[in-house]
Amino acid sequence: QVQLRESGPRLVKPSGTLSLTCVVSGVSISSSNWWSWVRQPPGQGLEWIGEIYHSGTTNYNPSLKSRLTMSIDNSKNQFSLRLTSVTAADTALYYCTRRDYYTSPNWGQGTLVIVSS
Amino acid sequence: EIVMTQSPLSLPVTPGEAASISCRSSESLLHSNGYNYLEWYLQKPGQSPQVLIYLGSTRASGVPDRFSGSTSGTDFTLKISRVEAEDVGVYYCMQALQTPFTFGGGTKVEIK
Repeated sequence: QVQLRESGPRLVKPSGTLSLTCVVSGVSISSSNWWSWVRQPPGQGLEWIGEIYHSGTTNYNPSLKSRLTMSIDNSKNQFSLRLTSVTAADTALYYCTRRDYYTSPNWGQGTLVIVSS
Repeated sequence: EIVMTQSPLSLPVTPGEAASISCRSSESLLHSNGYNYLEWYLQKPGQSPQVLIYLGSTRASGVPDRFSGSTSGTDFTLKISRVEAEDVGVYYCMQALQTPFTFGGGTKVEIK
């Protein structure tokens, strides 16, 4: 079955760069799926960050677009997120997800990232 | 962006009774393929969100049939026919038609 696993530093300094990777198993990342990131600040709701297709086409949340870069590595079956100039407001659980047009989405278990000096 | 308005904020329920959660979108979520791109998630305490319903009314694999989703224009409803203790948590709706995808504010379901 499809599984997604997030990984990356748990602690990032303010003004630094948050980098996360999502390793995908059970499906080729080159298949017709959109790969995305969602985050959830502690005790708050969910926010969609952005998505990437295997071709490299991206859609970003306008609220994060100026600081956000997503990339995909077809050879490693993984995709990544890079968020620059982070502040405490970027502290959150970060989830990676898979979706297509007709089947049930899949989510990873999430990874907590804390922005603090 | 499409705004998702979810209600109620909190829903105390009695085991064995029915419950429903509403979600209204600011625009139609109907794709040209005939599907409504509306998903329902349950986030149990300490867990990641799990998908219950996608395409407006299709139950995800392994989801009990006491959960159902329905659509009326831009109004969406999640119904639990007979609530069980394991159904507690926060329920979210999410539109997946137009980026940026957006979520409702959540409904916290708890046992009375």
